[in-house]
Amino acid sequence: GAVVSQHPSRVICKSGTSVKIECRSLDFQATTMFWYRQFPKQSLMLMATSNEGSKATYEQGVEKDKFLINHASLTLSTLTVTSAHPEDSSFYICSASKAAGYYGYTFGSGTRLTVV
Amino acid sequence: AQTVTQSQPEMSVQEAETVTLSCTYDTSESDYYLFWYKQPPSRQMILVIRQEAYKQQNATENRFSVNFQKAAKSFSLKISDSQLGDAAMYFCAYTPQETSGSRLTFGEGTQLTVNP
Repeated sequence: GAVVSQHPSRVICKSGTSVKIECRSLDFQATTMFWYRQFPKQSLMLMATSNEGSKATYEQGVEKDKFLINHASLTLSTLTVTSAHPEDSSFYICSASKAAGYYGYTFGSGTRLTVV
Repeated sequence: AQTVTQSQPEMSVQEAETVTLSCTYDTSESDYYLFWYKQPPSRQMILVIRQEAYKQQNATENRFSVNFQKAAKSFSLKISDSQLGDAAMYFCAYTPQETSGSRLTFGEGTQLTVNP
């Protein structure tokens, strides 16, 4: 089956520093990956759609300069939270699909970011 | 715009009993795909079941089945013989296309508690 690996699972960083989160599709090529943010006991909020070889598409209200997305290959997308602040603390999840309607989406295990 | 609504923020069920989680959606598309995802305390998103709108037959996966009412735009999930491991947040989701770049729209989620 499709596997998506996300690292790190947890990260604590100091305010003002940057943090990079990686999302890899292990056994399929993902031309598109999705990045979500989730607050406790809430639904997943789509932040951006990551397209291999092109610029990401950000949802309204998401700061593209704060959340840098790079999708340099068909198996790797990265999300960099720049100049992190405590309000950026959250759970971040990536997902990808071989063919959404047929296979559904596979999700990474998520990254819990804490900014102190 | 497509929307997905889960009107039950919380549900509980006794072990071995049956529970039904509700989901309604709004779309102008005739072909689309619906999903139920489970998010246990580990926060890993797990695909429970999927339904193709052009198929009249309700999808079934072991103890999980759906009641898909296309005209009513309703997509409920029935869990039979509930087990303690079924305790999780359940999300209903929709996508209009089969392609890998098609985004998911999630409902707000239903927190399911299974009582021993």
